[in-house]
Amino acid sequence: DTEVTQTPKHLVMGMTNKKSLKCEQHMGHRAMYWYKQKAKKPPELMFVYSYEKLSINESVPSRFSPECPNSSLLNLHLHALQPEDSALYLCASSQGQGLPQHFGDGTRLSIL
Amino acid sequence: SQELEQSPQSLIVQEGKNLTINCTSSKTLYGLYWYKQKYGEGLIFLMMLQKGGEEKSHEKITAKLDEKKQQSSLHITASQPSHAGIYLCGADLDSGNTPLVFGKGTRLSVIA
Repeated sequence: DTEVTQTPKHLVMGMTNKKSLKCEQHMGHRAMYWYKQKAKKPPELMFVYSYEKLSINESVPSRFSPECPNSSLLNLHLHALQPEDSALYLCASSQGQGLPQHFGDGTRLSIL
Repeated sequence: SQELEQSPQSLIVQEGKNLTINCTSSKTLYGLYWYKQKYGEGLIFLMMLQKGGEEKSHEKITAKLDEKKQQSSLHITASQPSHAGIYLCGADLDSGNTPLVFGKGTRLSVIA
C-alpha cells in the first residue's frame, strides 16, 4: 500500500470543465511534487512545493494551478485542458529535496 | 539531449535468469535512485545510492554506484515474474538543488 494517496484514480473531463486532483501524505514530508507521465515516457516534473511554498514551476501552462493548503495536502486544479493533457498525473513527497521521493498511484486523466 | 541514459530499453528474460540494467550520466551523480513501476501505477522506491562504490541490496535486487559516481547498475538474481515492470533510474545532478532527472526506463518481462 502506498503512503501517498491520490484521488480520484481515474478522471474523464471535457475541455471546458473544471476539476481538481488531490494528493495526501501523512509521513511528515515537507516537499511535495506533481509529475505528468505520458505513455512509455518517464515522469516529467511540473511543480515542487517545499514547506508549503511553491519552489519550482517547470513552465507549466496556467490551465494547471497547484495549491498546497497544508503540509499534508497538495491539489492540482484543472481548467480548460486540451486533449494532449491526457496522461497519468503522479504526486510524490519527500523529507526534503535531494531525498527519496515516494509516489502515489496516480490519477489517469482523459480529456475529451 | 538525455542526461541519463538507461540500457537496455527493454529486456525479456526467462524465469530464474539473472539480469543487469545500467544507468549512465555524463555528469557527477549526487544521488542515484532506482524505482520500479507497473503499468498505469505509481513508482515504487527501491534504493538510493550516494557514495562512490556504494552497493545496496533488497531481496534479490542489488544496485551499485561506480567509484566515479557516473554510472549505476541494477542487478536481479534469479528473476521471477514478480520482477516484471519498468525500472527507472532517477538522479540528483546538482546536490539536490535541481529537480530529479529520470532515465527513459527499462521494460522488463519475465517469462516462465
